[in-house]
Amino acid sequence: DIQMTQSPSSLSASVGDRVTITCRASQTISGYLNWYQQKPGKAPKLLIYAASSLQSGVPSRFSGSGSGTDFTLTISSLQPEDFATYYCQQSYTEPPRTFGQGTKVEVK
Amino acid sequence: EVQLVESGGGLVKPGGSLRLSCAASGFTFSTYTMSWVRQAPGKGLEWVSSISSSGSHIYNRGSLKGRFTISRDNAKNSLYLQMNSLRAEDTAVYYCARDQQYSPLDIWGQGTLVTVSS
Repeated sequence: DIQMTQSPSSLSASVGDRVTITCRASQTISGYLNWYQQKPGKAPKLLIYAASSLQSGVPSRFSGSGSGTDFTLTISSLQPEDFATYYCQQSYTEPPRTFGQGTKVEVK
Repeated sequence: EVQLVESGGGLVKPGGSLRLSCAASGFTFSTYTMSWVRQAPGKGLEWVSSISSSGSHIYNRGSLKGRFTISRDNAKNSLYLQMNSLRAEDTAVYYCARDQQYSPLDIWGQGTLVTVSS
């Protein structure tokens, strides 16, 4: 199975900061990498699909990049509503649908 | 409105069984692969099982060792997860999600909590 490794596992940031989260796959997944945001008590929400495509309704301060095995989620200017946990997930292969372990973005 | 609504969670004793349901609306359910994803308290997301649009292909998390069975009824726009021989470590919120190979899990239900405890 393909393993997904996110870093860091948590970070502290302030409103207005630029935030970068990385995700590495254990083997190539081409561009089939998705990013989700989850807030406490809520279901995950799709932010980015196919590495860099913004899901409808998601603010443009979110962006994704990468291909092969290395991927990045960037929040260009952190807003109060962006404090949450972020997960990467690969959709290259048939299931299992592996997720990264998550990155919690906390208030500095 | 595209929507998934889970039901069937609750408190069950170790060794017991539970059947989760997921009702789909607002899209052509029969054309999509569907998946179950769970999240233990304070932990990350963990894929559980997936079923192809026709039900002909089923994929299960290996560590479940056959205790869970995914199924679907396209006539009823419904997805199911039969969970047997439940253990404390199965305690989690269980989400159903719309899936498709090469595509993200783009629609999620609100989740249903399963608690396994004596």
